[in-house]
Amino acid sequence: SQKIEQNSEALNIQEGKTATLTCNYTNYSPAYLQWYRQDPGRGPVFLLLIRENEKEKRKERLKVTFDTTLKQSLFHITASQPADSATYLCALDPNSGYALNFGKGTSLLVTP
Amino acid sequence: EPEVTQTPSHQVTQMGQEVILRCVPISNHLYFYWYRQILGQKVEFLVSFYNNEISEKSEIFDDQFSVERPDGSNFTLKIRSTKLEDSAMYFCASSLTPGGEGEQYFGPGTRLTVT
Repeated sequence: SQKIEQNSEALNIQEGKTATLTCNYTNYSPAYLQWYRQDPGRGPVFLLLIRENEKEKRKERLKVTFDTTLKQSLFHITASQPADSATYLCALDPNSGYALNFGKGTSLLVTP
Repeated sequence: EPEVTQTPSHQVTQMGQEVILRCVPISNHLYFYWYRQILGQKVEFLVSFYNNEISEKSEIFDDQFSVERPDGSNFTLKIRSTKLEDSAMYFCASSLTPGGEGEQYFGPGTRLTVT
């Protein structure tokens, strides 16, 4: 069956450090992979999209890598800030055309 | 900045009752979606809607669910006979391009509580 796995344990880091979150998937051949941020009680907010033929994508302090051989994406936040504290969701396109399948998310806590 | 809106923010209903959740997608978007998130669990795809018809639905989206775009702006999710296990946060989303091709814009959600 198709699975999207993200670190189930919360990630606690100090302000200013780089946070690295992992998304592993099985039984998918996604053309696209997306990362979203979700705050408690709120809807997901889109952050970055990476295509299967792209190795890396950057946007300001965010960087995403996509390794289709390892079936893994890494999401980095550099110079992290307390305001970055949230749950980060990995989402895959299952090639069905319309759906997005989400991982359960990793909770990030950045402390001053 | 344009945003997806949803009403109500919280709905409490008794088991067996019908509920309608309402959404106003971003006006120039073409693809509309409903997702749900049970407390503490992942966001789950329910259904997508394009060109006035369902384009894809998940196993969760059974006969008790239906969607409609009654006019040019609203998009609704109806649950015909609610069950306790329907209690969840329901998110509407819209996008310019389908599926994973482009970003999906999510609304703030409707928290549905079935008692």
